[in-house]
Amino acid sequence: KQEVTQIPAALSVPEGENLVLNCSFTDSAIYNLQWFRQDPGKGLTSLLLIQSSQREQTSGRLNASLDKSSGRSTLYIAASQPGDSATYLCAAPRGGGADGLTFGKGTHLIIQP
Amino acid sequence: EADIYQTPRYLVIGTGKKITLECSQTMGHDKMYWYQQDPGMELHLIHYSYGVNSTEKGDLSSESTVSRIRTEHFPLTLESARPSHTSQYLCASSDGWGYTFGSGTRLTVV
Repeated sequence: KQEVTQIPAALSVPEGENLVLNCSFTDSAIYNLQWFRQDPGKGLTSLLLIQSSQREQTSGRLNASLDKSSGRSTLYIAASQPGDSATYLCAAPRGGGADGLTFGKGTHLIIQP
Repeated sequence: EADIYQTPRYLVIGTGKKITLECSQTMGHDKMYWYQQDPGMELHLIHYSYGVNSTEKGDLSSESTVSRIRTEHFPLTLESARPSHTSQYLCASSDGWGYTFGSGTRLTVV
């Protein structure tokens, strides 16, 4: 059964800093990994989808990496802005032939103006 | 525009009532999912479907039921709502690779 862990659980930084959010997963037989953003009381917005054949995926100021062998993924946010404040969720396939995603508990990010 | 829609956005209902949460997608995806998220907690898969007439239970046991009569529609039903059902319910669909989520239904049972 897949387990996903995200570190740190919470992070508060001043505007403009570059930061890294970490995700680890136990079942490395994944075909992709997806990062989402969730604003308070809202649904999930997909940020990046990394295929297992890729090592990195970029969208604007966001860059996600995937290392299947070590069971890790990182989300890098460059030049953080107050609008980046949200909870960031990492999700990996449930594994064992089961469909659907397993989510981490998320990193609650606050960017101070 | 291809998207996934959930209604209602918010619902406050009394104990014992029957409720149906609606989820529809216009992307033509065969796979659809329901997740439950308690405040401040992670998402847990409660139901999913591979396509029409297919329904499966997820990791988290739930008293809710689902149906899949049409590809685009995946409603979730609670026959008799209880305060323990108070939560946010998120619907998603997938093309087999990435997942797209709806805005969620925040259910409060009083």
